[in-house]
Amino acid sequence: ETGVTQTPRHLVMGMTNKKSLKCEQHLGHNAMYWYKQSAKKPLELMFVYNFKEQTENNSVPSRFSPECPNSSHLFLHLHTLQPEDSALYLCASSQGLYAGELFFGEGSRLTVL
Amino acid sequence: ELKVEQNPLFLSMQEGKNYTIYCNYSTTSDRLYWYRQDPGKSLESLFVLLSNGAVKQEGRLMASLDTKARLSTLHITAAVHDLSATYFCAVDIGGSQGNLIFGKGTKLSVKP
Repeated sequence: ETGVTQTPRHLVMGMTNKKSLKCEQHLGHNAMYWYKQSAKKPLELMFVYNFKEQTENNSVPSRFSPECPNSSHLFLHLHTLQPEDSALYLCASSQGLYAGELFFGEGSRLTVL
Repeated sequence: ELKVEQNPLFLSMQEGKNYTIYCNYSTTSDRLYWYRQDPGKSLESLFVLLSNGAVKQEGRLMASLDTKARLSTLHITAAVHDLSATYFCAVDIGGSQGNLIFGKGTKLSVKP
């Protein structure tokens, strides 16, 4: 495995479900990020972790709960989501915190019914 | 308010033609990135521009950065169908608030 991998690639869930998105980076990077990509909107930064410590929560609703057990893994736990949360969720990593160039995973396409 | 504006947002062009995508931003920054995204795929890093006057070229694409004008351009030379994708610029604002602010993207379609 190389780069940044995300699972699942596609997820459909009801508003009362609980699910999780997983991200793993094989680049030896120290910082990891969650972005949300919605149609016709710029990428929105959600969370930032550096050495598994959260450094940024960009006013994200509490129905999104991140977890970073180590520098290589990042999770996004989802519960009681709304239909407007349907989007592509992208994980990224960088060598250091705010170190510029990001390396993205292929994303998890989430649909909330 | 921090803004990163790309134009055009949609671009349909013929193979063999040249065109330029513009990225204007509203804050001081001397680092800018260009990414490419194919449908259903991730963002792929194309260019990293780290100083005023930086110019990078890869194949039919050339990117430049003018930090004084707060402007970056992505020039396409003799377009081919394989260049069809969405192109994003991202401005590095450093510090907190996350380091990259993305434009909305330019969806490029190259037709035979």
